[in-house]
Amino acid sequence: GAVVSQHPSWVICKSGTSVKIECRSLDFQATTMFWYRQFPKQSLMLMATSNEGSKATYEQGVEKDKFLINHASLTLSTLTVTSAHPEDSSFYICSASPISGSESEQYFGPGTRLTVT
Amino acid sequence: AQSVTQPDIHITVSEGASLELRCNYSYGATPYLFWYVQSPGQGLQLLLKYFSGDTLVQGIKGFEAEFKRSQSSFNLRKPSVHWSDAAEYFCAVAGGGNKLTFGTGTQLKVEL
Repeated sequence: GAVVSQHPSWVICKSGTSVKIECRSLDFQATTMFWYRQFPKQSLMLMATSNEGSKATYEQGVEKDKFLINHASLTLSTLTVTSAHPEDSSFYICSASPISGSESEQYFGPGTRLTVT
Repeated sequence: AQSVTQPDIHITVSEGASLELRCNYSYGATPYLFWYVQSPGQGLQLLLKYFSGDTLVQGIKGFEAEFKRSQSSFNLRKPSVHWSDAAEYFCAVAGGGNKLTFGTGTQLKVEL
């Protein structure tokens, strides 16, 4: 149980285009979903926290107009990287906290590798 | 604000040897602590967590961790390492809003 999927697993896009990444909780409902970014051989940096039906809360330094987050249902959150540039190339990982879970419980997706050319 | 320090960037052990990965945290209240493992190109898998109670926590894959409040530490241990344990290990602490703060990770290499 507690499986989180991400789609796509990897994507290559041209500079200036937008790309959408989906995060789904497959067998549970998630009150909160988190989006992280991970650079090669580095730790995960929290980008934003999203709650179903409300606006996402972005961490300091994260451009909300560039990284659009939509949490349309209790099982789906999307991250759209708008007008992507090569510096946006990274590994993006989402996580989800079950409604019925204990505090701070997060289940992670397998990640999406974004390469902007 | 909370923080996590993993002093060892890389560790190499022989298969069958014991393992200890260090983690020190900084947090004003009673911490919620986690250890995650990440294989190359993959997401994170929870190994174990500490919320309260017994300070020695058992996890999956034969891992355990001990919470020591006096040392602000939450070190991960395994008595006998397997080659499949080679991966990146992250310690994390949960703060307000259930946000996780991760350490910089320790890359484990297992020599056969």
